[in-house]
Amino acid sequence: DTAVSQTPKYLVTQMGNDKSIKCEQNLGHDTMYWYKQDSKKFLKIMFSYNNKELIINETVPNRFSPKSPDKAHLNLHINSLELGDSAVYFCASSRLGGQDTEAFFGQGTRLTVV
Amino acid sequence: QKEVEQNSGPLSVPEGAIASLNCTYSDRGSQSFFWYRQYSGKSPELIMFIYSNGDKEDGRFTAQLNKASQYVSLLIRDSQPSDSATYLCAVNIRGAQKLVFGQGTRLTINP
Repeated sequence: DTAVSQTPKYLVTQMGNDKSIKCEQNLGHDTMYWYKQDSKKFLKIMFSYNNKELIINETVPNRFSPKSPDKAHLNLHINSLELGDSAVYFCASSRLGGQDTEAFFGQGTRLTVV
Repeated sequence: QKEVEQNSGPLSVPEGAIASLNCTYSDRGSQSFFWYRQYSGKSPELIMFIYSNGDKEDGRFTAQLNKASQYVSLLIRDSQPSDSATYLCAVNIRGAQKLVFGQGTRLTINP
């Protein structure tokens, strides 16, 4: 059973388009995240949701809009895609609070904007 | 100053030797520290976590934490070619409910 699954795995699209990436976790975790990994492998947090509520927004352009219909799902919608949005996007989940906040990652979505 | 810093490498180690990976962090209140391994084209996977000062061993891996120096390291004994990957240090920033990652160290084990 896949713990954190995201779709699609690859996404190639033209500048200006709108696209969505879906994420689901079956670990019963309260907190979900979106991370962006650039070409230099730097993994940077974008958003964090706890029980469907946004708790972290790391100065991400408002073209990026996360949506959490329930605590097991966190989708990412991107409007008006730009070349600089090309990266690998990882969804992750963890339990809330305490020291035990290990994050479990999905397989990633490689977004290429052309 | 970056919240979490690592040498990006590449770090090249002969097979069978000890690989030493280092990480420093800026927030003195950080409580939990994690080492993830990421193979090319794959997602990060947790190797070890450490909360208390000192050493923590798990098989060939040893994590070391020194909160006074704000320093955490990972030692890999008897390095194998399959250990070749990027190693990411992550810190649970106090009160922030997020893991902050370093830029990763690319490790290559030479047969």
